[in-house]
Amino acid sequence: DQQVKQNSPSLSVQEGRISILNCDYTNSMFDYFLWYKKYPAEGPTFLISISSIKDKNEDGRFTVFLNKSAKHLSLHIVPSQPGDSAVYFCAADSGGGADGLTFGKGTHLIIQP
Amino acid sequence: NAGVTQTPKFRILKIGQSMTLQCTQDMNHNYMYWYRQDPGMGLKLIYYSVGAGITDKGEVPNGYNVSRSTTEDFPLRLELAAPSQTSVYFCASSYSTGSLLYEQYFGPGTRLTVT
Repeated sequence: DQQVKQNSPSLSVQEGRISILNCDYTNSMFDYFLWYKKYPAEGPTFLISISSIKDKNEDGRFTVFLNKSAKHLSLHIVPSQPGDSAVYFCAADSGGGADGLTFGKGTHLIIQP
Repeated sequence: NAGVTQTPKFRILKIGQSMTLQCTQDMNHNYMYWYRQDPGMGLKLIYYSVGAGITDKGEVPNGYNVSRSTTEDFPLRLELAAPSQTSVYFCASSYSTGSLLYEQYFGPGTRLTVT
């Protein structure tokens, strides 16, 4: 039973445009959400996070939005750059990190020139 | 700061063999984790540790064992390897107070094939 769902296995966006990656969750106990970026043959690297007490967090070109009532979050990348091509994982936590993160299956973002 | 290091990078095992995947972090993080990632899937938690001497099972612990004798090291032991353990294994660490979570830092992964 998937508690964190990323329903788009892949997404293709033109360079310079906005990339929007979506994530849905089912567990109401999740109180912290993170996005990780992963290149082939490397470990995931942290991108941005949001606490459940907020609805938006921004860091440079990256913004994460959280809609608690819909149990939905999204990652916006503006403008999209070629180096953004990677697999993006949505992850959620409910125990202050004590029992690990729950990950979605990932979305492969492809930035086209 | 090397961050989280994992050895080996690649390994091929025969069914029934055993091996230990090594993980070391130099960030003085109290929490450490082992995940596995199967093709087309997200990462699944195998074991985790909230400090030296303390370990606990994650979502998919069967066939694995861990120990945490120091803050820095968190080895993962595979006993009697099976083809279902073919996967990429990631070690991660983070600092947490228990109520406040900081992001997890991941190692580069170990790609294991069991044939």
